[in-house]
Amino acid sequence: DIQMTQSPSSLSASVGDRVTITCRASQSCYTSLNWYQQKPGKSPEVLIHATSTLQGGVPSRFSGSGSGTDFILTISSLQPEDSATYYCQQSYTFPITFGQGTRLEIK
Amino acid sequence: EGQLVESGGGLVQPGGSLRLSCAASGFTFSNYWMSWVRQAPGKGLEWVANINEVGSAAFYVDSVKGRFTSSRDNAENSLFLQMDNLRADDAAVYYCVGIRFGKVNHWHFDLWGRGTLVTVSS
Repeated sequence: DIQMTQSPSSLSASVGDRVTITCRASQSCYTSLNWYQQKPGKSPEVLIHATSTLQGGVPSRFSGSGSGTDFILTISSLQPEDSATYYCQQSYTFPITFGQGTRLEIK
Repeated sequence: EGQLVESGGGLVQPGGSLRLSCAASGFTFSNYWMSWVRQAPGKGLEWVANINEVGSAAFYVDSVKGRFTSSRDNAENSLFLQMDNLRADDAAVYYCVGIRFGKVNHWHFDLWGRGTLVTVSS
């Protein structure tokens, strides 16, 4: 199984900050890596798929990069509505696996 | 716009069974792979199962193999998850999710339902 490890597990940042969340896979998943945002009490929503493709309707301050085993989600200028938990997920092979999540709080 | 609505969750005793349903609308259900993803209270997301467009192939996380069965009725635009021999660690919100294929060899979880809560307790 491909284990997905996110860091940090939680972080607190201020509006306007640049935020990066890292996702590391235990083996290569090439570019089959997706990012999801989940707000409290809500279902997850896809932000970025295939490592760097922004889902329609997602603000351009979100971006993704990486390949192989190391991936990054970047929020270029943090907004209050970005307070949420973020998950990476590999879609390269079964079993499909998610990272443990990164809880992002706005200071 | 597509919509997925889960039902069938509830309280069940350990060792019991439950059948979850997911009603799809607003898109051509028969064209889509579907998935079940669960989330235990206060925990992260866990993939449970994928099923192909025609229901001829399904894939499961090891922890549910032999106990859970995913099926679909494309005529009724419905997805099902039959859960048998339930354990305490199966307790979670179960999401019905539509899969979208993009570039070659890439896919992602695209359309999520609101989820249905399964509680396993005596």
